Amino acid sequence: QLQLQESGPGLVKPSETLSLTCSVSGASIKSTSYSWGWVRQPPGKGLEWIGSMHYSGSPYYNPSFRSRVNMSIDTSKNQFSLTLTSVTAADTAVYYCARRGSPVVAFFWIDPWGPGTLVTVSS
Amino acid sequence: ETVMTQSPAILSVSPGERATLSCRASQSVSNNLAWYQQRPGQAPRLLIYGASTRATGIPARFSGSGSGTEFTLTISSLQSEDFAVYYCQQYSNWPPITFGGGTKVEIK
Repeated sequence: QLQLQESGPGLVKPSETLSLTCSVSGASIKSTSYSWGWVRQPPGKGLEWIGSMHYSGSPYYNPSFRSRVNMSIDTSKNQFSLTLTSVTAADTAVYYCARRGSPVVAFFWIDPWGPGTLVTVSS
Repeated sequence: ETVMTQSPAILSVSPGERATLSCRASQSVSNNLAWYQQRPGQAPRLLIYGASTRATGIPARFSGSGSGTEFTLTISSLQSEDFAVYYCQQYSNWPPITFGGGTKVEIK
């Protein structure tokens, strides 16, 4: 069964870089046509898609983050990562890693999701 | 960007009753719409994709309908575990993928 697990610092200082990793078990990141990505949720608020990428393709980012975000995939570790630069308090959120639910590029529902990790931006 | 608007923000329903949740898109998304359930402290869970197809393991009391700009999620007979927040998400016009603001289904 496919499982995702986020990891990374729970506290980041303002203006610094947020870095998270998602470990994938139960399937190989490079064995399928699925893409992998991130969604975040500020405390008490709704969901915001950050971006996604396929192991052999270019990433797609939400324009709201484009200048600050970078995603990468490490197939040797079966992991993918998110970095978000110049963070502010507004970046405080639960960050979820997730997989596109269909191997077809045009069909972008999200399934499954990792359990999420809270990242707080504070000095 | 396609803006998704959900209504109502809060829906108070008694156990065993029917719940009807709405989602509206700012432009047509065809049937490229998904619904998610999020219980407190948990990650979202996929319920419906393609506007009306239930995901694996989702009970038949959950049903989705609609196309274009108007969509509905219906829970035919609310169980205790169904009290949660529900989000719609479009994947027709992306990037970016966009979500609605959510509807909280609470016990009346």
